[in-house]
Order: sequence, then C-alpha cells, then structure tokens
Amino acid sequence: SQQGEEDPQALSIQEGENATMNCSYKTSINNLQWYRQNSGRGLVHLILIRSNEREKHSGRLRVTLDTSKKSSSLLITASRAADTASYFCATFGNQFYFGTGTSLTVIP
Amino acid sequence: KAGVTQTPRYLIKTRGQQVTLSCSPISGHRSVSWYQQTPGQGLQFLFEYFSETQRNKGNFPGRFSGRQFSNSRSEMNVSTLELGDSALYLCASRGVAENTEAFFGQGTRLTVV
Repeated sequence: SQQGEEDPQALSIQEGENATMNCSYKTSINNLQWYRQNSGRGLVHLILIRSNEREKHSGRLRVTLDTSKKSSSLLITASRAADTASYFCATFGNQFYFGTGTSLTVIP
Repeated sequence: KAGVTQTPRYLIKTRGQQVTLSCSPISGHRSVSWYQQTPGQGLQFLFEYFSETQRNKGNFPGRFSGRQFSNSRSEMNVSTLELGDSALYLCASRGVAENTEAFFGQGTRLTVV
C-alpha cells in the first residue's frame, strides 16, 4: 500500500512557468526520492534528499523536506514541454513506498 | 554503466497460466526490488531481494514469488494468473549503502486475457 499522497493529482501549466508538487508521507524515513515517469514507462530517478537535509537542488529542480510535517515539495523551474510526465515521491524506511503521483502537463 | 534491464518488455498470457519476469540490476548492485503498477492501485511494493535473500515483502498473495541469483539477477514469478494481474511490473536496483538511489528498469507490461 502507498504511504504517501501527492498534491495536486494533476497540474497543467504553460511552458516557462514553475511547477510545484507536494508529497506527504506517514512514517519515519531515511530518505525521500523523486521520480519521473513518462507514459507508462520506467521511472527515472530525479533527486534524493536525506532525512537530515532540508533542501536540495539539481539543475532546474529544487526539493525541500520537512520531516516535522512529513512532507516534501518538488519545484521545477522554467518548465519545458519535455517535462510533461507523472512525478512520484518515494520514501525509504525499510522499503520503498510511493506516493500517488502528480500528472504534470506543460503546454508549449 | 548499463542500467537496469528487464525482460521481456511485453507479455500476453492467459488466465491460469504462470509467468516469469527477469531483472538484471546495475553492476555492483545487490538489492533488487519489484513493484506492480496499475492505474487503480498505483505503485505497490512486491518484495526486495538482497544477496539472494528476500529482505522485505509487500502484501501480495503467495502466487507472487521471486528469487535472486548469485550474480544479483532476479526473477519474479506469478502463478495462476488472474485478469487483475495485468500491470506494469517494475524492478529497481540499489547499492549497498543505506541512503542510495534506486534505479528502475523500463518495466514489463503484462496483459492477462
């Protein structure tokens, strides 16, 4: 079963805008990871943030983690049409739990 | 470095049959975990193998089983297939250290008819 939920479930933005997705989880974690999935294909690893980290950047991605609120956010800046995909957060305690995913559509 | 390889990419099986899926992890990775993805249930954890031993197991019936070989390659078997087993099956490999990324294969799309 999934232990996380993502918000919003779907997001549609114009190219060049920023996209923010939120993830909430239930139990204590060692780390949280974000993945992208294009149309029913495999998951592509985006970024890992450890439980003792609060913020991490990778290119146009910025991830925050608030363990007191059991939540994380993924910000994609200056979005591109190629960013259109589903985005999942996954928490790792003794196994991976995936969130429900956010479907992002970037309109050219 | 080669990524995670899953074979086959697509399968069509009949109800009642059994199926075996294969996953070759990234070289040096000893942990392989399996997931089922369906539109209704999302990504569900099946099990994880580490050094040929099952380390964790999700809430799936005994029809779902797996194993891992000494070269870390893993297989997943589903017996007595049901229509509801139609899904994308993904495997992921991880390194030994605790806080490491999990890398996924492209998945096997199983259709049960």
